[in-house]
Amino acid sequence: NAGVTQTPKFRILKIGQSMTLQCTQDMNHNYMYWYRQDPGMGLKLIYYSVGAGITDKGEVPNGYNVSRSTTEDFPLRLELAAPSQTSVYFCASSQTGGSSYEQYFGPGTRLTVT
Amino acid sequence: GENVEQHPSTLSVQEGDSAVIKCTYSDSASNYFPWYKQELGKRPQLIIDIRSNVGEKKDQRIAVTLNKTAKHFSLHITETQPEDSAVYFCAASSAGTSYDKVIFGPGTSLSVIP
Repeated sequence: NAGVTQTPKFRILKIGQSMTLQCTQDMNHNYMYWYRQDPGMGLKLIYYSVGAGITDKGEVPNGYNVSRSTTEDFPLRLELAAPSQTSVYFCASSQTGGSSYEQYFGPGTRLTVT
Repeated sequence: GENVEQHPSTLSVQEGDSAVIKCTYSDSASNYFPWYKQELGKRPQLIIDIRSNVGEKKDQRIAVTLNKTAKHFSLHITETQPEDSAVYFCAASSAGTSYDKVIFGPGTSLSVIP
C-alpha cells in the first residue's frame, strides 16, 4: 500500500491565485482530514470527512473548500490565496471501528503565497 | 468545541533521564487520546494512544496516563535517548462517532542532550 499520498510536494502561489491540493489514500479508510501546520506550530484542523459525500468544518476552515466524492480522494481547494495561507498542509486518514483510530499522515505539501 | 492545551512547550533532558508532557482537554465527550511524534521535516506518526476506559497504557519506554475526571492525560518517556528528540503532539477526539474530529495540542519540542 502507498498509504496517504499528496501532490504537489511544493508550490509557490501569487496572492489571489487558486489551487487544489490533492490527497489520496489506498487503505479504504472512511475518515479523512486536512491540517495546516505553520512554522514551529501545531496542527490545526481545516476540514474533515467521515465518509464519501460528508464533510465538515474544523478549527480554521475560512479560505478553503473540500469535497469527498470517493472514499479514496479528499482534495483541498484554496480560492484567492493570501499570505496567511503560507503553511505546510498535511492530509490524514483513519479507519472507523476497531481498537485504534490511528491517523496516517501524508508527506505534506509546502505552500508559499507571495 | 474541543480545546487541547499542552505543557511544557519546550523540554530539555539529559540522556537517560525521564521526560513528562502533560495535556488537558475540555470536551467531556472525548474518548480517544493519541500521542504523535514529529521529527524535523517529517510527517507526524502515532507512538501511543489510550481510550477513555483505560487509566494507563505502556509500550516499552513510553507510557500514557489518563485522568478522565480531571480531563488530563500525560506522556511519560523513560531512559530517554537522542533519537527521542522531536516534537510531540497530544490530541483528543470523540472517536467512532459521526461528529468525530481530532484536535491537537500545540506541541512540545523535546531535546535529549547526549
